[in-house]
Amino acid sequence: AQSVAQPEDQVNVAEGNPLTVKCTYSVSGNPYLFWYVQYPNRGLQFLLKYITGDNLVKGSYGFEAEFNKSQTSFHLKKPSALVSDSALYFCAPLSGNTGKLIFGQGTTLQVKP
Amino acid sequence: GAVVSQHPSWVICKSGTSVKIECRSLDFQATTMFWYRQFPKQSLMLMATSNEGSKATYEQGVEKDKFLINHASLTLSTLTVTSAHPEDSSFYICSARDRLVLPSSEQYFGPGTRLTVT
Repeated sequence: AQSVAQPEDQVNVAEGNPLTVKCTYSVSGNPYLFWYVQYPNRGLQFLLKYITGDNLVKGSYGFEAEFNKSQTSFHLKKPSALVSDSALYFCAPLSGNTGKLIFGQGTTLQVKP
Repeated sequence: GAVVSQHPSWVICKSGTSVKIECRSLDFQATTMFWYRQFPKQSLMLMATSNEGSKATYEQGVEKDKFLINHASLTLSTLTVTSAHPEDSSFYICSARDRLVLPSSEQYFGPGTRLTVT
């Protein structure tokens, strides 16, 4: 079965510190990999994606993600967190077989001033 | 960027009534739209894939007679919750993919509709 794991329900960081939100996946083939962010009572906003090429992908709002094929991971990172980054983050591989996004359970990021 | 709207943003209805939720792609055409359901502090659960001009494809365990999906045009898909019950209360989110881009392109999500059944 295809699955996505975001091992941390919540990540707490102080403003200005680097942050990492972890994601590992088990999806057949070479899936495309996405990160989305959800603010309270809102839909999802696209942050970044990995298709092919450079393992470090840069996205919106200063976020980046590192693809590691051997570890089947796609961790989200930011060098310096902002309080406004506090939100719910979803890792979502796109299954090449079905064309559907497979969502992880989400990680709440809490950035404190 | 591409914008997807949903209407209404929130709705309260009585048990036994039906509710229609609209999902529109505002500045692009979407051959495919997706409907998700999200419970508080939980992940998105895909309910169905809606294809313009054809019947929706429902995920296992989703009642197609209860959650009616219509995708009559390239910019509009509707989800009708029929004979709603309190357990149908949830946050419903749609997404759409621009028909002119590759499958690797991102889906654009609507802002969601909060349904409360009393």
